[in-house]
Amino acid sequence: DTAVSQTPKYLVTQMGNDKSIKCEQNLGHDTMYWYKQDSKKFLKIMFSYNNKELIINETVPNRFSPKSPDKAHLNLHINSLELGDSAVYFCASNQQGTEAFFGQGTRLTVV
Amino acid sequence: QQQVKQSPQSLIVQKGGISIINCAYENTAFDYFPWYQQFPGKGPALLIAIRPDVSEKKEGRFTISFNKSAKQFSLHIMDSQPGDSATYFCAAKKGSGTYKYIFGTGTRLKVLA
Repeated sequence: DTAVSQTPKYLVTQMGNDKSIKCEQNLGHDTMYWYKQDSKKFLKIMFSYNNKELIINETVPNRFSPKSPDKAHLNLHINSLELGDSAVYFCASNQQGTEAFFGQGTRLTVV
Repeated sequence: QQQVKQSPQSLIVQKGGISIINCAYENTAFDYFPWYQQFPGKGPALLIAIRPDVSEKKEGRFTISFNKSAKQFSLHIMDSQPGDSATYFCAAKKGSGTYKYIFGTGTRLKVLA
């Protein structure tokens, strides 16, 4: 039973397209995150939601829009994809004071 | 102030040897320091974590050493095995009401058989 699941695992798309990545957690956690991991493996937080409320919005282009329909889901929509958006995107969740659990990642390739 | 500096960037160790990865932070408000292990194609997974009220925590072959005055902490992997080959990230978090983990830049560990 996967704790934090993301779909799709791989996404190849052309520049200018709009795409979405979905994330679901079955851990009952209140907080969910999106992290971006670049080609050098650096993990950078993008967004954090707590109980469907946006808590953290790091300096991310407004082409990226997260949506949390309920506290178990956090989706990421990306408009007008650019080459520089190519990366692995990780969803994570945690309960206050505990460690973060990460999904398997979505490898986005923009061509 | 928000950074966590990690070194080395890569590490090669012989099987049975000790792997040591170091991290340093500046923000004294950080109060939770986890280490994550990431295998290729997988998400990071918690390996071991420490709070600053203890100087050392050991779980099996993995030990965190914490030096509060120096604002440094390190991961020691004893009797390193080829299966330990992965990327390791240190991280820091401030307070139970904060939702942001700050990650180090990662260390790629390769353990030679």
